[in-house]
Amino acid sequence: DVKVTQSSRYLVKRTGEKVFLECVQDMDHENMFWYRQDPGLGLRLIYFSYDVKMKEKGDIPEGYSVSREKKERFSLILESASTNQTSMYLCASSPGGYSNQPQHFGDGTRLSIL
Amino acid sequence: SQQGEEDPQALSIQEGENATMNCSYKTSINNLQWYRQNSGRGLVHLILIRSNEREKHSGRLRVTLDTSKKSSSLLITASRAADTASYFCATVAPLNSGYSTLTFGKGTMLLVSP
Repeated sequence: DVKVTQSSRYLVKRTGEKVFLECVQDMDHENMFWYRQDPGLGLRLIYFSYDVKMKEKGDIPEGYSVSREKKERFSLILESASTNQTSMYLCASSPGGYSNQPQHFGDGTRLSIL
Repeated sequence: SQQGEEDPQALSIQEGENATMNCSYKTSINNLQWYRQNSGRGLVHLILIRSNEREKHSGRLRVTLDTSKKSSSLLITASRAADTASYFCATVAPLNSGYSTLTFGKGTMLLVSP
């Protein structure tokens, strides 16, 4: 069974801090994704990666960066956290190949920026 | 970029009743997927229906697809309190970068009361 593990369920940080959210998957998936989920806005894609060291911007990449140094790990970085980045962050992975493969999600990190 | 849109936004029923939620999308698809999200957790893939299929069953779930109307429906029969969750449809849509990836609707919140 695929397992996607996010490092923290809840996180509280202060404005201006550099914040790292970590995600690890154990199924050798090529694709990994970071979303944020806000009430009334649904899931919005921040970044995705289709291979080690490869990344592509999603719909809302501003204020975020990502790192994928190993296939199983995909990190989301908030360079200088702001209150409008308070949200639920979800990581997902899927096999390579077609972009319409089902995605497997972690349990999310609820991030509060004070 | 949002491809799918679920309807209704919220649905409240009693245990034992059937729940039907709908999804409309904009562009042609290879497949359409349905996911469930329990409160405070990640999304879980439920079922995938291909564009050449009209109906698919999985346990108490029944999904239909009408490509001429660009719509799908998810029927949960004999609902249980444990079915209380948000349900999302997902289809592939292009990003501004030119890549395509799954995009999710805003979801239908289902409440099943004992």
